[in-house]
Amino acid sequence: KQEVTQIPAALSVPEGENLVLNCSFTDSAIYNLQWFRQDPGKGLTSLLLIQSSQREQTSGRLNASLDKSSGRSTLYIAASQPGDSATYLCAVVDSGNTPLVFGKGTRLSVIA
Amino acid sequence: NAGVTQTPKFQVLKTGQSMTLQCAQDMNHEYMSWYRQDPGMGLRLIHYSVGAGITDQGEVPNGYNVSRSTTEDFPLRLLSAAPSQTSVYFCASSYRGLAELQETQYFGPGTRLLVL
Repeated sequence: KQEVTQIPAALSVPEGENLVLNCSFTDSAIYNLQWFRQDPGKGLTSLLLIQSSQREQTSGRLNASLDKSSGRSTLYIAASQPGDSATYLCAVVDSGNTPLVFGKGTRLSVIA
Repeated sequence: NAGVTQTPKFQVLKTGQSMTLQCAQDMNHEYMSWYRQDPGMGLRLIHYSVGAGITDQGEVPNGYNVSRSTTEDFPLRLLSAAPSQTSVYFCASSYRGLAELQETQYFGPGTRLLVL
């Protein structure tokens, strides 16, 4: 059974710092991996999707990498801002018809 | 596009009552799913559907029923509410792209359910 782990569970950084969020998964035979953002009391917003054949995806200050063989992904946030404060979730799809398997998330606080 | 919509936003039920959580999407997505989110437990899949007329169970299906009569709608029914079903419920949808791979998932704003 696929399991997704995110470390750390919570992170607090000063504004302007670059930071890395980690995600690991137990079964490397994934189809894709997605990073989501969730603000308190809100739904999830997709940030980046990496297909299994890709190594990384970039959107603005965000860069996600994927290393299938080691079962790891990282989300890099450059020049963090207080508006980046949220919970970041990683999720994987094992095959075309199976649903997302989520990690429990990393709660990020960026202090002004 | 309205995206994924959920109603109601908040609901209080008494133990034993039944209700239906509504989910609709206007993006013509084949894939729809229901999750519940609880503190310390993360998001857990309840039921999902790969197209109209097809549903399957997720990780925590007990006490919930679903049906998918149209592409747009995927309601979640609580048959006899229990306090353990107090949670935040999210509906999600996605397009199935090339080689039937799921693409980006879009989530609704959630329904907060309190069962007394």
